[in-house]
Amino acid sequence: GAGVSQTPSNKVTEKGKYVELRCDPISGHTALYWYRQSLGQGPEFLIYFQGTGAADDSGLPNDRFFAVRPEGSVSTLKIQRTERGDSAVYLCASSPQAGFSYNEQFFGPGTRLTVL
Amino acid sequence: DAKTTQPPSMDCAEGRAANLPCNHSTISGNEYVYWYRQIHSQGPQYIIHGLKNNETNEMASLIITEDRKSSTLILPHATLRDTAVYYCIVRAYNQGGKLIFGQGTELSVKP
Repeated sequence: GAGVSQTPSNKVTEKGKYVELRCDPISGHTALYWYRQSLGQGPEFLIYFQGTGAADDSGLPNDRFFAVRPEGSVSTLKIQRTERGDSAVYLCASSPQAGFSYNEQFFGPGTRLTVL
Repeated sequence: DAKTTQPPSMDCAEGRAANLPCNHSTISGNEYVYWYRQIHSQGPQYIIHGLKNNETNEMASLIITEDRKSSTLILPHATLRDTAVYYCIVRAYNQGGKLIFGQGTELSVKP
């Protein structure tokens, strides 16, 4: 079956611009996670959704970062006034549920964001 | 911060067993040990998890010491396709949400 998909696969933007990154989770998965990964580092948690609501956004670095999941499926990560330090691979993952569950997370291939 | 310690890199000959260690000396009684791997330019992939008993699936085996302060992931017959960064993560089974990744171990399987 279809896995987690992310679009675009690559995004190049200029400092100060606004970007949106999209994640399509596995159908039926109620939990959705965003991570970002800098070169040579492990993935760093940003935010996760249970259904439509953000259950934990403690990893968002500042108020330039925002994510939504209005219908409980597709999610969009939004970054305002991009900075060169935002350059990274942004990973999305989903799992059947995030509570008392078998906690395997299924990851997408990521979106590589480059801020010039 | 990650609650695990792993060697930064390891080599393994193709066809031999790869044994990847992980220290988690501060693990709590309700925390499981999870292993994920990340092949170059792909997202992480779940491998296996366990609490205190040894576990085996089609990908790997997980050996957890009796005091649960360390574990070893075993790939019984490593192939070139097993070259990846392997992450050991501890978390409570009933804790929804984030995985906290450390630096992982970069495993290179050589012909």
